[in-house]
Amino acid sequence: DTGVSQNPRHKITKRGQNVTFRCDPISEHNRLYWYRQTLGQGPEFLTYFQNEAQLEKSRLLSDRFSAERPKGSFSTLEIQRTEQGDSAMYLCASSLDGTGGPPGELFFGEGSRLTVL
Amino acid sequence: GQNIDQPTEMTATEGAIVQINCTYQTSGFNGLFWYQQHAGEAPTFLSYNVLDGLEEKGRFSSFLSRSKGYSYLLLKELQMKDSASYLCAVRDSNYQLIWGAGTKLIIKP
Repeated sequence: DTGVSQNPRHKITKRGQNVTFRCDPISEHNRLYWYRQTLGQGPEFLTYFQNEAQLEKSRLLSDRFSAERPKGSFSTLEIQRTEQGDSAMYLCASSLDGTGGPPGELFFGEGSRLTVL
Repeated sequence: GQNIDQPTEMTATEGAIVQINCTYQTSGFNGLFWYQQHAGEAPTFLSYNVLDGLEEKGRFSSFLSRSKGYSYLLLKELQMKDSASYLCAVRDSNYQLIWGAGTKLIIKP
C-alpha cells in the first residue's frame, strides 16, 4: 500500500461549475476525513466517515458540499456551483481505530488543489 | 470557542536549536499532535502527547503541560530540510482535531 491517494491533484474550473475529488485511503483504515486548507492556515475540518457512515459534518460546510463513502473504501467530495471562495487545497486523511500507535494519527494524501476562476 | 495559538513564523540557523510554542483552549483534551508540512505537500505526523512531560524522538522532542494548555516542539541540530510549517493540533472531547494555523520555520545557513 502506498498511502492515501487523491485525484485530481489540480483542478481549475469556472465559477458555477461542479467538481468532484476522489480519495483512496490506506486500505483497512476505517476512518476517512476531508479537510480544506488555504495558504498560511491549518487544515479546516469538513467531514469524516467511520466506514461508510458519515458521522460528522462541519457546520461551516454549505449545502453545495457533499461527500460519500459508499462502500467504506474510497470517498468522493463534490462541490456544486463552485464559487471563488472555494479555491483551496482539499486534503483527505485516513486513520485506523484501535491501532497500536498514537490513537487518531492521521495519514494525509497529497491533496487536490482547486482554483475557481 | 476553541483556539490554538502558534507563532506565525520563526527563523533559525542551521545546526542550532529552535522551540516552537503552542497554546490551546479547547472543549476537552484527548491528546496533542505535531505535524510537519513542507510547502505544497501533505502534513506528516511528528509526535503525540497525551500526558504531561517530554517525548523525545531523535532530533525532535515535544513537551506538554495540560494544566497550562501549553506544548512546545523542540528541534535540535537543525538542517535545511527542516524548513517547513509545523502544525499543532489538539483532539477535543469529541475526538475531533482542532488545528493551529501553523508556524513557518525558515532555516538559514
